[in-house]
Amino acid sequence: SQQGEEDPQALSIQEGENATMNCSYKTSINNLQWYRQNSGRGLVHLILIRSNEREKHSGRLRVTLDTSKKSSSLLITASRAADTASYFCATGEGSSNTGKLIFGQGTTLQVKP
Amino acid sequence: KAGVTQTPRYLIKTRGQQVTLSCSPISGHRSVSWYQQTPGQGLQFLFEYFSETQRNKGNFPGRFSGRQFSNSRSEMNVSTLELGDSALYLCASSLGPGRAYEQYFGPGTRLTVT
Repeated sequence: SQQGEEDPQALSIQEGENATMNCSYKTSINNLQWYRQNSGRGLVHLILIRSNEREKHSGRLRVTLDTSKKSSSLLITASRAADTASYFCATGEGSSNTGKLIFGQGTTLQVKP
Repeated sequence: KAGVTQTPRYLIKTRGQQVTLSCSPISGHRSVSWYQQTPGQGLQFLFEYFSETQRNKGNFPGRFSGRQFSNSRSEMNVSTLELGDSALYLCASSLGPGRAYEQYFGPGTRLTVT
């Protein structure tokens, strides 16, 4: 079963706008990661945030984590057509020793030029 | 460094046949995990290998199996294929315990069962 839910399931915006997608999870975590997937290809790791962090930035990406609400958000600022992809959050099961990632259902982002 | 490679990239099989997929991790990575992605179930964990040993297994039937070789390369096998096994199979590698969650994914093998 999936660890959590992501919303919205689909998002369509204009180039230059910001895109925000949210992820909720069910159990306690050590870290949460966000991945991007272009059209049925492999997953590209975007950013990892640890459970003791509240916010993290990487270029145009900003991730927040609220462990009390078991939720995370990914903000992409000044979006580009190349950002069109599906975005997934993933959490590790149990300790950091496990390679078992549990993924959300993903948000499909379309950025119109 | 070269990324994770998966072969073949595309595969068409018939129900009842078996299939073997291959994954070569990033050089120096000793842990390999496999995932199945379908439109209905999303991304689901299949299994994880480290030092030729299976460390974790997802909730899949025994028709799904895997192994890891001494050079960290991994294969997964699906026997008696069913239509529902049509999916994108993704392999990911990581350094190993303690960093196992930092995974780097390959491009996937698209399996179609007819």
